[in-house]
Amino acid sequence: EADIYQTPRYLVIGTGKKITLECSQTMGHDKMYWYQQDPGMELHLIHYSYGVNSTEKGDLSSESTVSRIRTEHFPLTLESARPSHTSQYLCASDGGSHIQYFGAGTRLSVL
Amino acid sequence: KNQVEQSPQSLIILEGKNCTLQCNYTVSPFSNLRWYKQDTGRGPVSLTIMTFSENTKSNGRYTATLDADTKQSSLHITASQLSDSASYICVVTDRGSTLGRLYFGRGTQLTVWP
Repeated sequence: EADIYQTPRYLVIGTGKKITLECSQTMGHDKMYWYQQDPGMELHLIHYSYGVNSTEKGDLSSESTVSRIRTEHFPLTLESARPSHTSQYLCASDGGSHIQYFGAGTRLSVL
Repeated sequence: KNQVEQSPQSLIILEGKNCTLQCNYTVSPFSNLRWYKQDTGRGPVSLTIMTFSENTKSNGRYTATLDADTKQSSLHITASQLSDSASYICVVTDRGSTLGRLYFGRGTQLTVWP
């Protein structure tokens, strides 16, 4: 079982609210990732980080932002949530073994 | 365009039966191919990983095969159990980028009935 944690697991909020999805890993992995996944669809990379103070945008355009101040922590923030942001968000980390370990995900619903 | 296509989209089998899931990819240059199992509402968990030189790899009742020439992979599940009900995702890594970019298939939704 991988030591990567996401909170909250489920979140229902109103349009316009600012939210932060938390992701933490205790494995000391340098690489961390955020994916967005709609039901029955493939995962899309929205952000990644090679290490502290390193963040890059992924393949899928996203209005979210990320930060990497500490190795173990990679939060994702939506400044103003919209219904189009409704999705599942998965965080992953990679210690260099080319295997990504995923968290349980946050299922976000924006009303 | 690098793509990963999986078939079938969904599959229902009876407990104890075997099944095979397919994955075709066009990702190039190829680095490795992985199969993940994703339970409903959970994150994916790695089952197998194969590099260019590997043809088969097993993990318990799961056996993955890879034909790098035809760019095809399969995941064979033996003696299925109810707990095998999940989405099985094929993921191919691109060797040509420093990130080692991952390309995900949409998954095969497997349901095992008692």
